Amino acid sequence: GAVVSQHPSRVICKSGTSVKIECRSLDFQATTMFWYRQFPKQSLMLMATSNEGSKATYEQGVEKDKFLINHASLTLSTLTVTSAHPEDSSFYICSARVLAGASYEQYFGPGTRLTVT
Amino acid sequence: AQRVTQPEKLLSVFKGAPVELKCNYSYSGSPELFWYVQYSRQRLQLLLRHISRESIKGFTADLNKGETSFHLKKPFAQEEDSAMYYCALRRTGNQFYFGTGTSLTVIP
Repeated sequence: GAVVSQHPSRVICKSGTSVKIECRSLDFQATTMFWYRQFPKQSLMLMATSNEGSKATYEQGVEKDKFLINHASLTLSTLTVTSAHPEDSSFYICSARVLAGASYEQYFGPGTRLTVT
Repeated sequence: AQRVTQPEKLLSVFKGAPVELKCNYSYSGSPELFWYVQYSRQRLQLLLRHISRESIKGFTADLNKGETSFHLKKPFAQEEDSAMYYCALRRTGNQFYFGTGTSLTVIP
Protein backbone atom coordinates (compact mmCIF):
# COMPACT_ATOMS: atom_id res chain seq x y z
CA GLY A 1 0.00 0.00 0.00
CA ALA A 2 0.89 3.66 -0.17
CA VAL A 3 3.43 4.86 2.38
CA VAL A 4 3.50 8.29 3.94
CA SER A 5 6.44 9.41 6.04
CA GLN A 6 6.88 12.35 8.38
CA HIS A 7 10.01 14.03 9.59
CA PRO A 8 10.93 14.58 12.31
CA SER A 9 9.08 12.10 14.47
CA ARG A 10 9.74 14.21 17.53
CA VAL A 11 10.88 17.79 17.93
CA ILE A 12 11.41 20.04 20.92
CA CYS A 13 11.73 23.74 20.35
CA LYS A 14 11.85 26.87 22.42
CA SER A 15 8.95 29.26 22.63
CA GLY A 16 9.10 31.87 19.90
CA THR A 17 10.98 29.77 17.40
CA SER A 18 9.58 28.16 14.26
CA VAL A 19 9.61 24.51 13.40
CA LYS A 20 9.03 22.73 10.10
CA ILE A 21 7.43 19.31 9.73
CA GLU A 22 7.70 17.39 6.47
CA CYS A 23 5.19 14.96 5.03
CA ARG A 24 6.26 12.79 2.12
CA SER A 25 4.50 10.28 -0.06
CA LEU A 26 7.16 7.67 -0.69
CA ASP A 27 5.89 5.56 -3.55
CA PHE A 28 3.14 7.62 -5.09
CA GLN A 29 2.25 11.16 -6.03
CA ALA A 30 -0.20 13.04 -3.88
CA THR A 31 -1.87 16.14 -5.24
CA THR A 32 -3.74 16.52 -1.99
CA MET A 33 -2.49 16.05 1.53
CA PHE A 34 -4.14 16.83 4.83
CA TRP A 35 -2.76 18.06 8.12
CA TYR A 36 -4.32 17.06 11.41
CA ARG A 37 -3.67 17.88 15.01
CA GLN A 38 -4.32 15.51 17.86
CA PHE A 39 -4.34 16.46 21.51
CA PRO A 40 -3.81 13.77 24.15
CA LYS A 41 -6.77 11.44 24.42
CA GLN A 42 -8.68 13.44 21.83
CA SER A 43 -9.59 12.94 18.23
CA LEU A 44 -7.82 14.10 15.12
CA MET A 45 -8.76 17.62 14.17
CA LEU A 46 -8.40 18.57 10.54
CA MET A 47 -6.32 21.71 10.26
CA ALA A 48 -5.94 22.23 6.55
CA THR A 49 -5.99 20.71 3.12
CA SER A 50 -2.73 21.02 1.24
CA ASN A 51 -3.00 21.22 -2.53
CA GLU A 52 0.02 20.85 -4.77
CA GLY A 53 0.79 24.05 -6.59
CA SER A 54 -1.85 26.14 -4.89
CA LYS A 55 -2.72 27.65 -1.55
CA ALA A 56 -3.79 25.46 1.30
CA THR A 57 -7.37 25.51 2.49
CA TYR A 58 -7.64 26.05 6.22
CA GLU A 59 -10.41 24.88 8.50
CA GLN A 60 -12.33 27.41 10.49
CA GLY A 61 -10.43 28.57 13.54
CA VAL A 62 -6.99 27.57 12.24
CA GLU A 63 -4.61 30.51 11.84
CA LYS A 64 -3.04 30.34 8.39
CA ASP A 65 -0.28 32.75 9.37
CA LYS A 66 0.57 30.58 12.32
CA PHE A 67 0.55 27.27 10.50
CA LEU A 68 2.19 27.76 7.13
CA ILE A 69 1.65 25.00 4.62
CA ASN A 70 3.65 24.52 1.47
CA HIS A 71 2.98 21.78 -1.07
CA ALA A 72 5.62 22.52 -3.65
CA SER A 73 5.87 19.06 -5.17
CA LEU A 74 3.69 16.01 -5.70
CA THR A 75 5.47 14.12 -2.95
CA LEU A 76 6.11 16.72 -0.27
CA SER A 77 4.02 18.95 1.92
CA THR A 78 5.46 20.94 4.78
CA LEU A 79 3.83 22.44 7.85
CA THR A 80 5.70 25.24 9.58
CA VAL A 81 4.58 26.25 13.03
CA THR A 82 5.69 29.86 13.33
CA SER A 83 6.54 31.56 16.60
CA ALA A 84 5.62 28.43 18.48
CA HIS A 85 4.16 28.61 21.96
CA PRO A 86 3.62 25.90 24.56
CA GLU A 87 -0.04 25.63 23.59
CA ASP A 88 1.08 24.52 20.13
CA SER A 89 2.53 21.38 21.67
CA SER A 90 0.65 18.54 20.10
CA PHE A 91 0.80 15.54 17.82
CA TYR A 92 0.68 16.56 14.17
CA ILE A 93 -0.35 13.99 11.60
CA CYS A 94 -0.44 14.26 7.84
CA SER A 95 -2.27 12.11 5.36
CA ALA A 96 -2.24 11.78 1.60
CA ARG A 97 -5.21 11.18 -0.61
CA VAL A 98 -4.94 8.26 -3.01
CA LEU A 99 -7.39 7.23 -5.68
CA ALA A 100 -8.37 3.63 -5.03
CA GLY A 101 -10.75 2.30 -7.62
CA ALA A 102 -13.69 4.65 -7.84
CA SER A 103 -13.05 6.24 -4.50
CA TYR A 104 -10.32 7.99 -2.56
CA GLU A 105 -8.51 6.59 0.42
CA GLN A 106 -6.33 8.33 2.92
CA TYR A 107 -2.97 7.03 4.05
CA PHE A 108 -1.60 8.47 7.23
CA GLY A 109 1.88 9.35 8.30
CA PRO A 110 3.20 8.20 11.67
CA GLY A 111 2.85 11.65 13.19
CA THR A 112 5.21 14.23 14.67
CA ARG A 113 5.27 15.00 18.37
CA LEU A 114 5.95 18.71 18.88
CA THR A 115 6.89 19.98 22.32
CA VAL A 116 7.35 23.70 22.81
CA THR A 117 9.20 24.66 25.99
CA ALA B 1 -22.63 21.07 10.59
CA GLN B 2 -20.86 17.80 10.07
CA ARG B 3 -20.31 15.81 13.19
CA VAL B 4 -19.23 12.33 14.19
CA THR B 5 -20.01 11.02 17.65
CA GLN B 6 -18.53 8.01 19.35
CA PRO B 7 -20.21 7.84 22.74
CA GLU B 8 -17.84 5.34 24.33
CA LYS B 9 -14.27 6.39 25.10
CA LEU B 10 -13.42 3.03 26.58
CA LEU B 11 -14.85 -0.40 25.88
CA SER B 12 -13.76 -3.70 27.37
CA VAL B 13 -15.00 -7.10 26.31
CA PHE B 14 -13.86 -10.64 26.97
CA LYS B 15 -12.21 -12.66 24.26
CA GLY B 16 -14.83 -14.47 22.21
CA ALA B 17 -17.60 -12.07 23.16
CA PRO B 18 -19.39 -9.91 20.62
CA VAL B 19 -18.30 -6.32 20.34
CA GLU B 20 -20.04 -3.25 19.00
CA LEU B 21 -18.46 0.17 18.73
CA LYS B 22 -21.02 2.88 18.24
CA CYS B 23 -20.83 5.75 15.80
CA ASN B 24 -23.46 8.33 14.98
CA TYR B 25 -23.13 11.12 12.49
CA SER B 26 -24.82 14.26 11.31
CA TYR B 27 -24.31 15.46 7.78
CA SER B 28 -26.47 17.43 5.42
CA GLY B 29 -25.32 15.64 2.29
CA SER B 30 -24.90 12.02 1.30
CA PRO B 31 -22.46 10.60 3.83
CA GLU B 32 -19.50 8.40 3.22
CA LEU B 33 -18.43 6.70 6.43
CA PHE B 34 -15.24 4.93 7.40
CA TRP B 35 -13.71 3.13 10.34
CA TYR B 36 -10.04 3.63 11.05
CA VAL B 37 -7.97 1.67 13.54
CA GLN B 38 -4.78 2.54 15.38
CA TYR B 39 -2.92 -0.32 17.01
CA SER B 40 -0.44 0.41 19.75
CA ARG B 41 2.56 2.38 18.47
CA GLN B 42 1.32 2.23 14.89
CA ARG B 43 -0.12 4.77 12.55
CA LEU B 44 -3.76 5.20 11.77
CA GLN B 45 -4.99 2.86 9.06
CA LEU B 46 -8.21 2.24 7.23
CA LEU B 47 -10.25 -0.66 8.54
CA LEU B 48 -13.31 -0.48 6.34
CA ARG B 49 -15.66 1.85 4.51
CA HIS B 50 -19.36 1.62 4.07
CA ILE B 51 -19.41 1.74 0.29
CA SER B 52 -17.37 -1.45 0.11
CA ARG B 53 -19.80 -3.38 2.29
CA GLU B 54 -16.94 -5.67 3.21
CA SER B 55 -15.84 -7.60 6.26
CA ILE B 56 -12.30 -6.90 7.39
CA LYS B 57 -10.71 -8.94 10.17
CA GLY B 58 -14.19 -10.12 11.03
CA PHE B 59 -15.51 -6.59 11.47
CA THR B 60 -18.55 -5.25 9.65
CA ALA B 61 -20.36 -1.95 9.72
CA ASP B 62 -23.70 -1.06 8.20
CA LEU B 63 -24.73 2.45 7.37
CA ASN B 64 -28.17 3.13 8.80
CA LYS B 65 -29.36 6.41 7.33
CA GLY B 66 -32.57 6.36 9.34
CA GLU B 67 -30.69 6.23 12.63
CA THR B 68 -27.66 8.10 11.22
CA SER B 69 -25.42 5.40 12.57
CA PHE B 70 -22.45 3.38 11.39
CA HIS B 71 -21.74 0.99 14.22
CA LEU B 72 -18.78 -1.37 13.99
CA LYS B 73 -19.43 -4.98 14.96
CA LYS B 74 -17.60 -8.23 15.39
CA PRO B 75 -19.25 -11.42 16.63
CA PHE B 76 -16.21 -12.84 18.44
CA ALA B 77 -13.58 -10.44 19.71
CA GLN B 78 -9.92 -11.42 19.65
CA GLU B 79 -7.06 -10.10 21.76
CA GLU B 80 -5.39 -8.62 18.70
CA ASP B 81 -8.45 -6.43 18.19
CA SER B 82 -7.39 -4.29 21.12
CA ALA B 83 -6.77 -0.86 19.62
CA MET B 84 -8.12 2.61 19.19
CA TYR B 85 -10.99 2.85 16.72
CA TYR B 86 -12.07 6.02 14.98
CA CYS B 87 -15.22 6.55 13.00
CA ALA B 88 -14.84 9.09 10.21
CA LEU B 89 -17.06 10.91 7.78
CA ARG B 90 -15.87 12.21 4.47
CA ARG B 91 -17.41 15.32 3.11
CA THR B 92 -17.20 16.73 -0.39
CA GLY B 93 -13.66 17.87 -1.06
CA ASN B 94 -12.43 14.69 0.59
CA GLN B 95 -11.87 16.23 4.00
CA PHE B 96 -12.47 13.81 6.82
CA TYR B 97 -14.09 14.44 10.15
CA PHE B 98 -13.16 12.03 12.90
CA GLY B 99 -14.99 10.96 16.01
CA THR B 100 -13.26 11.10 19.36
CA GLY B 101 -12.34 7.45 19.19
CA THR B 102 -13.08 4.37 21.24
CA SER B 103 -10.35 2.44 22.96
CA LEU B 104 -11.18 -1.24 22.77
CA THR B 105 -9.61 -3.69 25.17
CA VAL B 106 -10.18 -7.39 24.68
CA ILE B 107 -9.63 -9.25 27.92
CA PRO B 108 -8.07 -12.70 27.55
